[in-house]
Amino acid sequence: ETGVTQTPRHLVMGMTNKKSLKCEQHLGHNAMYWYKQSAKKPLELMFVYSLEERVENNSVPSRFSPECPNSSHLFLHLHTLQPEDSALYLCASTGQKGEKLFFGSGTQLSVL
Amino acid sequence: GESVGLHLPTLSVQEGDNSIINCAYSNSASDYFIWYKQESGKGPQFIIDIRSNMDKRQGQRVTVLLNKTVKHLSLQIAATQPGDSAVYFCAENPPGYSTLTFGKGTMLLVSP
Repeated sequence: ETGVTQTPRHLVMGMTNKKSLKCEQHLGHNAMYWYKQSAKKPLELMFVYSLEERVENNSVPSRFSPECPNSSHLFLHLHTLQPEDSALYLCASTGQKGEKLFFGSGTQLSVL
Repeated sequence: GESVGLHLPTLSVQEGDNSIINCAYSNSASDYFIWYKQESGKGPQFIIDIRSNMDKRQGQRVTVLLNKTVKHLSLQIAATQPGDSAVYFCAENPPGYSTLTFGKGTMLLVSP
């Protein structure tokens, strides 16, 4: 266990559905991240939250909407996704930006 | 642009052999480097890290070597075991970035 928990582990959704991914960290960290991992590609940074404030958005499409209600919880709200959005979505946290990240197990998302 | 990359996409070894996974980084100003292991269905797990003021760092069965002259990072795994089979990522911390930059990964396959 890394101290970062993601739910659900697997998600299948249609292009018109709305769903949310949840991440919770029990490490007392003050920065949390969403990454997208597609086959044969490096990890792609989507969003960064530091002290509950979004500090980086890396040009992610608006069909992905993050929410960070407190330093321990992070959500990724999904709506009208495309099949190419199918990927493993990883949450991570750190106590010091730019250093070791602690990852959750990810949500494997399939968009039909 | 600058990126982190890996020389070998797949490395196959016999159980008990020593494994060496290589990584080339392109940002000479990066001062922190890290290796992750990702098993199937799991998120990346921290293995070992090293700062730029060091050339070598050892952990349990693993050693990371940093050659700043040629911007090369390697991970050595001693007495490789089947449980070491996974994808291994290197990452760097370029200055001015809020998080790590990841390479594509190398698949390590260990045969009994």
